[in-house]
Amino acid sequence: QQPVQSPQAVILREGEDAVINCSSSKALYSVHWYRQKHGEAPVFLMILLKGGEQKGHEKISASFNEKKQQSSLYLTASQLSYSGTYFCGTEPNNAGNMLTFGGGTRLMVKP
Amino acid sequence: NAGVTQTPKFQVLKTGQSMTLQCAQDMNHEYMSWYRQDPGMGLRLIHYSVGAGITDQGEVPNGYNVSRSTTEDFPLRLLSAAPSQTSVYFCASSRDTLHYGYTFGSGTRLTVV
Repeated sequence: QQPVQSPQAVILREGEDAVINCSSSKALYSVHWYRQKHGEAPVFLMILLKGGEQKGHEKISASFNEKKQQSSLYLTASQLSYSGTYFCGTEPNNAGNMLTFGGGTRLMVKP
Repeated sequence: NAGVTQTPKFQVLKTGQSMTLQCAQDMNHEYMSWYRQDPGMGLRLIHYSVGAGITDQGEVPNGYNVSRSTTEDFPLRLLSAAPSQTSVYFCASSRDTLHYGYTFGSGTRLTVV
């Protein structure tokens, strides 16, 4: 079953912050986050493992709440280059290579 | 490093034709997968492999076959193309998706008429 992402779309001005959420009805071992620009392949941003860790990648960070089976991606002080569609991918416990993606969140950053 | 290479980049098929989408990676990754992405949608898992000789079905396997005779190659075969298979197909590889991210190929845009 696919994870559910929210919101489906968001429009920001440069410098504003955004949060993208990903939730699953299944227990999760890990959560992936990817960004896809129009007409291109998805690009890996980060992975979070169960244990409730939080990771950072420049001004993009994420958290993983294992108990709630939820992950959130935080984009701070957004830049034009952050525009694209963000996907979370979830791995059920111990399955391996069964990464299932959410429907995506389209982010547009305007000057 | 070339990464993940997919060929062809574009293909038009007639309904009922068969073809093979090629995928090769040079990173010695054990995990490889095929996804399809319909316009404005997310990625859906077709088939995956955790090593040479091992394949399994994903969310939407009907109408597709795969094989994994080597670590490097993971071709996807469309048995009898249907308009519903019009999509962009991505191949991806990883050391281990429990701990590492996927590297995606550039995709094959397939149109079935």
